[in-house]
Amino acid sequence: AQTVTQSQPEMSVQEAETVTLSCTYDTSESDYYLFWYKQPPSRQMILVIRQEAYKQQNATENRFSVNFQKAAKSFSLKISDSQLGDAAMYFCAYTGNAGNMLTFGGGTRLMVKP
Amino acid sequence: DGGITQSPKYLFRKEGQNVTLSCEQNLNHDAMYWYRQDPGQGLRLIYYSQIVNDFQKGDIAEGYSVSREKKESFPLTVTSAQKNPTAFYLCASKVIGPRQPQHFGDGTRLSIL
Repeated sequence: AQTVTQSQPEMSVQEAETVTLSCTYDTSESDYYLFWYKQPPSRQMILVIRQEAYKQQNATENRFSVNFQKAAKSFSLKISDSQLGDAAMYFCAYTGNAGNMLTFGGGTRLMVKP
Repeated sequence: DGGITQSPKYLFRKEGQNVTLSCEQNLNHDAMYWYRQDPGQGLRLIYYSQIVNDFQKGDIAEGYSVSREKKESFPLTVTSAQKNPTAFYLCASKVIGPRQPQHFGDGTRLSIL
């Protein structure tokens, strides 16, 4: 079974600074997909970014980028120029090539200090 | 606007009572999911369905039941057999295919009276 681990229960960052959230996963598949979701205090889950395992290029969405290390099974999220609105729970998630289920990590709570 | 609607937002259950959480989507998605989230924790899969009249158990299906009679609707019943139902419940849907992300509703908070 696949597992996803987020080793940082909480992180804090100063507004306008950069922060990196860690995620590791365990799988025996070669093709899979990884996602980062954001859950603000409103509790709605919002897709931040996704990465296909077959792509060597790291995904980027505006201030959000990933560092995908396939051999190390690592998928970290970098948030640049942090804003107060970035404060939320962040969840890393994995799905295999069949794509019918997501496995979530335990989450990292990000606090942004003004 | 297309989206996923969960109702009610808050729900209270008495001991020994079954309650049903509603999830409706107008995104024309084939797959639908139910997750449970406990405080400070990640999401755990209860049930999912990829086609009408078919569904599969997730990691924590015991004490829950679902139906999928229409593509748009995937209600979750929390039965009296679920001894610790207090949690936040999230419904999601997606287009079939691994690259496609799941889209989530706003959730239902269930509490025991």
